[in-house]
Amino acid sequence: EVQLVESGGGLVQPGGSLRLSCAASGFTFSTYAMSWVRQAPGKGLEWVSGIGGGGRSTYYADSVKGRFTISRDNSKNTLYLQMNSLRAEDSAVYYCAKGGLTMAGTYFDLWGRGTLVTVSS
Amino acid sequence: DIQMTQSPSSLSASVGDRVTITCRAGQSISSSLNWYQHKPGKAPNLLIYAASSLQTGVPSRFSGSGSGTDFTLTISSLQPEDFATYYCQQSYSTLLTFGQGTRLEIK
Repeated sequence: EVQLVESGGGLVQPGGSLRLSCAASGFTFSTYAMSWVRQAPGKGLEWVSGIGGGGRSTYYADSVKGRFTISRDNSKNTLYLQMNSLRAEDSAVYYCAKGGLTMAGTYFDLWGRGTLVTVSS
Repeated sequence: DIQMTQSPSSLSASVGDRVTITCRAGQSISSSLNWYQHKPGKAPNLLIYAASSLQTGVPSRFSGSGSGTDFTLTISSLQPEDFATYYCQQSYSTLLTFGQGTRLEIK
C-alpha cells in the first residue's frame, strides 16, 4: 500500500527537542523529494522543510531555519525532522508529504495523517 | 519568500452552486501553482497541479486556471463532500509557500 506514517510527536517543554519520523511504503522512496508541512491550531498549512531524493539538498522556512534539521535514510525508507529549541509557536500537527522528482515545481500527491507536537510547560 | 494571498478567506454556498476561489502570488510564478482540499482530522488532498492539471481521481467538477500571478480554482457544482478548506501552494521557488486558506461552508 502506498502510504506515509508519521511518528514521534508529543508534549515537550519550551527549549526542548523532538525527532519526528515518517515511514514510507509502496513507492520508490529515494526517487522523490519529501517535505514536512505543519498546521498550528486554528491556522493554515505552513511548509516547514524539504529535502531532495538523494538527501544532499535541504530547504527550510525562515521560521525554523537554524533550529530544525531534515534528513532521510533511503535504506530505511524513512524521513526525519529533528526539532531543537522548540517554541510554543511550533505547536502543530506535522505532516509528511511526498513531492516530485525535485523541489522546484513540486506538488504533494501523498500525505501522512500527521503527528501532533505540543510545546508547553 | 513568495507571498500567496487567497480570496475570499471564507465563503458560504449551497449544494449545486458554482464557486470560484482566487489565489494571487506576490511575483510571477509561471504555472507553478497547486490546489489542495483539507478536511478536519484528515490529510490534505491534492486537487490541481501546475495550475490547471487535474490530479488522478479528482472529480471533473474541479478545475484550475491562471498563470503569472493570478489563479483560480472553480467548483462547477458544489457537492456535500466539497465543504472544506482550500489552499493554494506555489512551487516556483524551492522555498514553498501556501496561501492562508479559503473555508467553504454550507449556506
